[in-house]
Amino acid sequence: QKEVEQNSGPLSVPEGAIASLNCTYSDRGSQSFFWYRQYSGKSPELIMFIYSNGDKEDGRFTAQLNKASQYVSLLIRDSQPSDSATYLCAPRGSSASKIIFGSGTRLSIRP
Amino acid sequence: NAGVTQTPKFQVLKTGQSMTLQCAQDMNHNSMYWYRQDPGMGLRLIYYSASEGTTDKGEVPNGYNVSRLNKREFSLRLESAAPSQTSVYFCASSEAGDGELFFGEGSRLTVL
Repeated sequence: QKEVEQNSGPLSVPEGAIASLNCTYSDRGSQSFFWYRQYSGKSPELIMFIYSNGDKEDGRFTAQLNKASQYVSLLIRDSQPSDSATYLCAPRGSSASKIIFGSGTRLSIRP
Repeated sequence: NAGVTQTPKFQVLKTGQSMTLQCAQDMNHNSMYWYRQDPGMGLRLIYYSASEGTTDKGEVPNGYNVSRLNKREFSLRLESAAPSQTSVYFCASSEAGDGELFFGEGSRLTVL
């Protein structure tokens, strides 16, 4: 089993709708979780992190963490064409500094 | 403030040739990383260095070597390039190795 699993997509969402991206992980020692966004041909950039169970909101973005079920989600409200990108999940595992990414979910926002 | 700088940005090699990808960061970060990304794929960790003087294998270390030259620099070496190593290589750094990574612009390598 891969350490981090994501649906590769593509996920197509109409403009203005909510996009929901999910990530599951196998290391129960993972304490914090990061969401990166990567535009085509560019390097990834950090957009959200969460380290406790529940929700964390930042503008149109909400990260949800459920440690018991070992999954983390990213919700994007009022989706915009500029949100079209690949979203990568990265749990910080119990092995300090070793950062493993999921395969990423490609999101496409259609006008 | 340059952040993370990778060189070269583009390189074409023939099978069996060797080369070194250079990475330098000016943020005084402790941890540095090398990832590869194949078309339509996520990032796969090749090697990482939690702190100056240490290096560890990631998910796909075979065919690569690394050197943490000092706190600023972390190089990736391909001793005998193979077509399977055609990829985009990203270097990243992190202050605390906690998952907040800052990436370079990437190095696109083609092995013929």
